[in-house]
Amino acid sequence: DQQVKQNSPSLSVQEGRISILNCDYTNSMFDYFLWYKKYPAEGPTFLISISSIKDKNEDGRFTVFLNKSAKHLSLHIVPSQPGDSAVYFCAASLAGNNRKLIWGLGTSLAVNP
Amino acid sequence: KAGVTQTPRYLIKTRGQQVTLSCSPISGHRSVSWYQQTPGQGLQFLFEYFSETQRNKGNFPGRFSGRQFSNSRSEMNVSTLELGDSALYLCASSFGTSADTQYFGPGTRLTVL
Repeated sequence: DQQVKQNSPSLSVQEGRISILNCDYTNSMFDYFLWYKKYPAEGPTFLISISSIKDKNEDGRFTVFLNKSAKHLSLHIVPSQPGDSAVYFCAASLAGNNRKLIWGLGTSLAVNP
Repeated sequence: KAGVTQTPRYLIKTRGQQVTLSCSPISGHRSVSWYQQTPGQGLQFLFEYFSETQRNKGNFPGRFSGRQFSNSRSEMNVSTLELGDSALYLCASSFGTSADTQYFGPGTRLTVL
């Protein structure tokens, strides 16, 4: 049973527009959430994270929003660039133990020029 | 600073054989975690080693084992390979505290025939 769900396997967006990637989770004990980006033939690369005590974290073009009551988080990329085309994974950890992450299945983002 | 390296990058084995994968963490990192990535299950946590001791363990059968050496390099072993073990095996390293970001290697693609 997937505790972290990314219900959209793929997403296509025009360059310059906003990309919104969604993630839902079932375990209310998760207290830290992370987004990783993965290019083909490479390992995942850390992108941005958010603690459960916050509802928003921003880093440049990337913003993560957390809605604890809905057990939902989203990653916004504004503006989207062709280099952002990759698979994005949402991950969660228990008790801040980022060494044992529970992962979603990923969303493949294609940013079209 | 050199990133996480994994060897070999690709491996083909037959059912019943055993395999050993190697991971060299970023210099100074003492924690090494292993993940299995398959299309249907996403990334699944295998285990984590810190200072030569297994500190966390996922829900994999005993055929999957690992170890860590005094220089923090880690190996993962899978015995009696099954077709379902075909996957990308990813290694991640961190300093070892709970809130650390994990840095991933490129992975070893294992194919079991």
